[in-house]
Amino acid sequence: DTGVSQNPRHKITKRGQNVTFRCDPISEHNRLYWYRQTLGQGPEFLTYFQNEAQLEKSRLLSDRFSAERPKGSFSTLEIQRTEQGDSAMYLCASSPGQKLNEKLFFGSGTQLSVL
Amino acid sequence: AQSVTQLGSHVSVSEGALVLLRCNYSSSVPPYLFWYVQYPNQGLQLLLKYTSAATLVKGINGFEAEFKKSETSFHLTKPSAHMSDAAEYFCAVSGGPSGGYQKVTFGTGTKLQVIP
Repeated sequence: DTGVSQNPRHKITKRGQNVTFRCDPISEHNRLYWYRQTLGQGPEFLTYFQNEAQLEKSRLLSDRFSAERPKGSFSTLEIQRTEQGDSAMYLCASSPGQKLNEKLFFGSGTQLSVL
Repeated sequence: AQSVTQLGSHVSVSEGALVLLRCNYSSSVPPYLFWYVQYPNQGLQLLLKYTSAATLVKGINGFEAEFKKSETSFHLTKPSAHMSDAAEYFCAVSGGPSGGYQKVTFGTGTKLQVIP
């Protein structure tokens, strides 16, 4: 168990640029989640996958955000035309996907700063 | 949609004192409830979870939480605070009347300060 890995750890970009983050879940974990966390707030749900299928996407999520999980392994989260309001910590979590109340294993996150 | 409310964004206790962090959920159907902790510069990790097997749930590091359906609460307690308990604590919920047991929704968090 090497844990959930997220890359990069930090990303600084200029407004209007596109950014992509990567998440490698724990091996054999079927569920993968993306959350966003800003200072003083709890993690905000963005989307989750069961294997390669994206089963739910937050209605608050702009269409500038897209996530993929090809082959049900790693996942990428892309933000197009970044805005200053996108600055946040982006967290990835995974779980085995066998039960309904499973523990989520979180990565250390990618800190995005949009200038 | 299910949600949780955490009362108090900051709580300060003296070392050795009782820790009480409050969480209320909004659901007519008992959901699954969780407490996660985030230590400084570390990722979120699970403290404990309610699974309906028992209303009093014991977690790691001496923490426990009691599910009270009549009060729609799931408060987190620890009899005696330790300096190492200083962290941010998040209550979380999944499930409810509309299902959605795979989606976990977090509260806004309570930052615990332990005073020596």
